[in-house]
Amino acid sequence: EVRLVESGGGFVKPGGSLRLSCAASGFSFNNVWMSWVRQTPGKGLEWVGRLKSQPNGGPTDYAAPLKGRFIISGDASKNTLYLQMDNLQAEDTAVYFCATGTGGIKWGQGTLVTVSS
Amino acid sequence: QSVLTQPPSLSAAPGQKVTISCSGSSSNIGNNYVSWYQQFPGTAPKLLISENNKRPSGIPDRFSGSKSDTSATLGITGLQAGDEADYYCGTWDSSLSAWVFGGGTKLTVL
Repeated sequence: EVRLVESGGGFVKPGGSLRLSCAASGFSFNNVWMSWVRQTPGKGLEWVGRLKSQPNGGPTDYAAPLKGRFIISGDASKNTLYLQMDNLQAEDTAVYFCATGTGGIKWGQGTLVTVSS
Repeated sequence: QSVLTQPPSLSAAPGQKVTISCSGSSSNIGNNYVSWYQQFPGTAPKLLISENNKRPSGIPDRFSGSKSDTSATLGITGLQAGDEADYYCGTWDSSLSAWVFGGGTKLTVL
């Protein structure tokens, strides 16, 4: 059974950084697309970006507004996806989900990131 | 402002049929597959429909998807109280090189 478990969320001050992890089990995400999607409290879904994890890195795509501040990486040996978030702002406060596929086939339960002073 | 346009809310009585629309453009719906998601409060979205009209294993055939030109539709027949949720459409946008979601439709079962 495919299972995705996000971790690493929490409180961070504006301008700070956070790295989220997504532990995958039940499949190998080597050479498959994996995505991050976020949801602001009470609002809709926003795609963050995707990675096709390969032994020596892999292609990535990002939502234009987030490119440069957010970086997606993966460790196929650990079946884990990461989201490095820098220079966080209040508007980045959201629940962050990882998902298989580009648009989300199987989803994790999400981890809450709160950016506040 | 979402790239894909959905009605913010819809309501219908149990047993009835409801359709949720998703409008886009040639750079997204017009040339790419559409997916639909169901989300209950406090939970993760769940894939309902992929590739315009394919139901993943375990999704009842009361749920159906279709696409025409730059619009897509999710249909739900035999509406049940348990269908009360938020529904989102999503697709790849070739101009943005990004996945885009609709703003979501809150379905209320009266």
